[in-house]
Amino acid sequence: AQSVTQPDIHITVSEGASLELRCNYSYGATPYLFWYVQSPGQGLQLLLKYFSGDTLVQGIKGFEAEFKRSQSSFNLRKPSVHWSDAAEYFCAVVPGAGNMLTFGGGTRLMVKP
Amino acid sequence: DTGVSQDPRHKITKRGQNVTFRCDPISEHNRLYWYRQTLGQGPEFLTYFQNEAQLEKSRLLSDRFSAERPKGSFSTLEIQRTEQGDSAMYLCASSLGHPSNQPQHFGDGTRLSIL
Repeated sequence: AQSVTQPDIHITVSEGASLELRCNYSYGATPYLFWYVQSPGQGLQLLLKYFSGDTLVQGIKGFEAEFKRSQSSFNLRKPSVHWSDAAEYFCAVVPGAGNMLTFGGGTRLMVKP
Repeated sequence: DTGVSQDPRHKITKRGQNVTFRCDPISEHNRLYWYRQTLGQGPEFLTYFQNEAQLEKSRLLSDRFSAERPKGSFSTLEIQRTEQGDSAMYLCASSLGHPSNQPQHFGDGTRLSIL
């Protein structure tokens, strides 16, 4: 079955440390890939997207993500985390012929001072 | 660009009542999507419109749910005879075109609580 997996439900990092959030998908063809962030009680804000081309994509707030076709992964990274980055992060995909987003279960990020 | 607007932000109602939510997309966005998000989960697709046409519906959208986008601008989502399991955040998103080149932008959602 087609799916999106975020293996880490919770991650805690210290402020200033680096961050990597994992995302794996299972689709036959390369899907369109997205990362969204959600603060408590709020909607989702788009961090970055991958449609085609360069497999390393830059987003807002200093985030980047790398698409690795061989690993069916689209991991999100940030070199130095700020306390304001504490939130829930969702990886999402749109299969090539599809119209809707399919989301992973999310990773809740906590930042220690 | 005022963003996607949803109203109300919160709705508390008794089981069995009908509720209606409204979504105003970003102007000129021809696509509008509804998603449902339960606590601790990622959003799940419900339905989407291209202009005023409802083109796709999820199996999650039971007969008690109906969505409209009468003039291709705002949309409403109605739930009839609400049940406890309907408690969730209902998210609306809009986009300028197909997901292959246009991302979806989300509103802040309507949180529904069924007593």
